[in-house]
Amino acid sequence: EVQLVESGGGLGQPGGSLRLSCVASGFTFSGYWMHWVRQVPGKGLEWVSGIESDGSKAKYGDSVKGRFTISRDNAKNTLYVQMNNLRAEDTAIYYCARDGPGGATDFDYWGQGTLVTVSS
Amino acid sequence: QSALTQPASVSGSPGQSITISCTGTSSDVGRYHYVSWYQQHPGKAPKLMIYDVSNRPSGVSNRFSASKSGNTASLTISGLQAEDEADYYCTSFTSSDTLVFGGGTKLTVL
Repeated sequence: EVQLVESGGGLGQPGGSLRLSCVASGFTFSGYWMHWVRQVPGKGLEWVSGIESDGSKAKYGDSVKGRFTISRDNAKNTLYVQMNNLRAEDTAIYYCARDGPGGATDFDYWGQGTLVTVSS
Repeated sequence: QSALTQPASVSGSPGQSITISCTGTSSDVGRYHYVSWYQQHPGKAPKLMIYDVSNRPSGVSNRFSASKSGNTASLTISGLQAEDEADYYCTSFTSSDTLVFGGGTKLTVL
């Protein structure tokens, strides 16, 4: 059974940093692109970042480019996102998601999410 | 990258069909065959319902179908059931090599 379990959420200070983790199990983690998607509670979804299966390529949404860094450790089956220079608008539930069967925009498995709150 | 445009809400009675539109631009929906649709129930993670414009993942009911014309993609749910009441989101690949979601549509089954 595919499982994605996020952790690392909590309260962050404006201008501060947090690192989220997502531990994967039940599939060959090193064979898939992985992504982070966030959602302000009660609002819509926003794609944050994605990373290629071997970690060689990473992509970012405009709102986090230059502040967030996605990475992965295939030996530990773990996806990360380092969030620096946090802003109030980064407050959201952060989901990790596995690339799906299609060509580019589909995520077939999602974690349960971890809540990040940015506030002083 | 601006969000794709979806109606805020749609509604229908059990057994009826509804369609949710998702309008983008020639730089995203209109350019690529990479449009997906997600269903999200309150407090739950999104669920993939459609990928690559019109393909259903294994296990998704054939009451869900989708298509694309020009810059607009559409999701149709036929034979509405109470369990279909949820939020629905579209997403598309973009010419900036990123992904963009729609704002979401709340489906109410009357």
